[in-house]
Amino acid sequence: AQSVTQLGSHVSVSEGALVLLRCNYSSSVPPYLFWYVQYPNQGLQLLLKYTSAATLVKGINGFEAEFKKSETSFHLTKPSAHMSDAAEYFCAVTDRGSSNTGKLIFGQGTTLQVKP
Amino acid sequence: DVKVTQSSRYLVKRTGEKVFLECVQDMDHENMFWYRQDPGLGLRLIYFSYDVKMKEKGDIPEGYSVSREKKERFSLILESASTNQTSMYLCASGGSLETQYFGPGTRLLVL
Repeated sequence: AQSVTQLGSHVSVSEGALVLLRCNYSSSVPPYLFWYVQYPNQGLQLLLKYTSAATLVKGINGFEAEFKKSETSFHLTKPSAHMSDAAEYFCAVTDRGSSNTGKLIFGQGTTLQVKP
Repeated sequence: DVKVTQSSRYLVKRTGEKVFLECVQDMDHENMFWYRQDPGLGLRLIYFSYDVKMKEKGDIPEGYSVSREKKERFSLILESASTNQTSMYLCASGGSLETQYFGPGTRLLVL
């Protein structure tokens, strides 16, 4: 079965520091990959997605992620953290066994704390 | 912009009540999904629908049912609410390249 692993349930950075949130997936077929962000008491908002075009994907709010097939990774980065980046972040991968029903498999989530 | 709306942001119900959670999308998407979100457990898929009147069980369907009579509307039903169904419920609509768009969520408390 496919799976998504987010390393670190909590990540804390100082304002202005680099943000790195890690995501690894297991899939024998190159998947589509997504990062979502969830602010408190809200739904999930799409940050960016990889759909087999460029391996470096730029998203909203200055975030980007790089698809590395050899490492089965899709880590999310931002050069300089802002207080407003504090939220929960979810990595997701298409469920290739789902026969085109559009199901996604989500990681457990990483809470990003930004300290002043 | 894709818009997914959910009927309530917050809901308080009693044990044994029948609960309806409604979700509406405005992008003519085929696929719609219901998840529940609990601390430490991430998002878990309850049910999904890939067409009108078509549905499939997700990972945790027990205690839930769904209805999709119209393409834009996907309802989640708790036939007899229990305290262990207290949770955040998220609806999503599936667009191109399997991108899912989420509603704002319904926080349900069952007393």
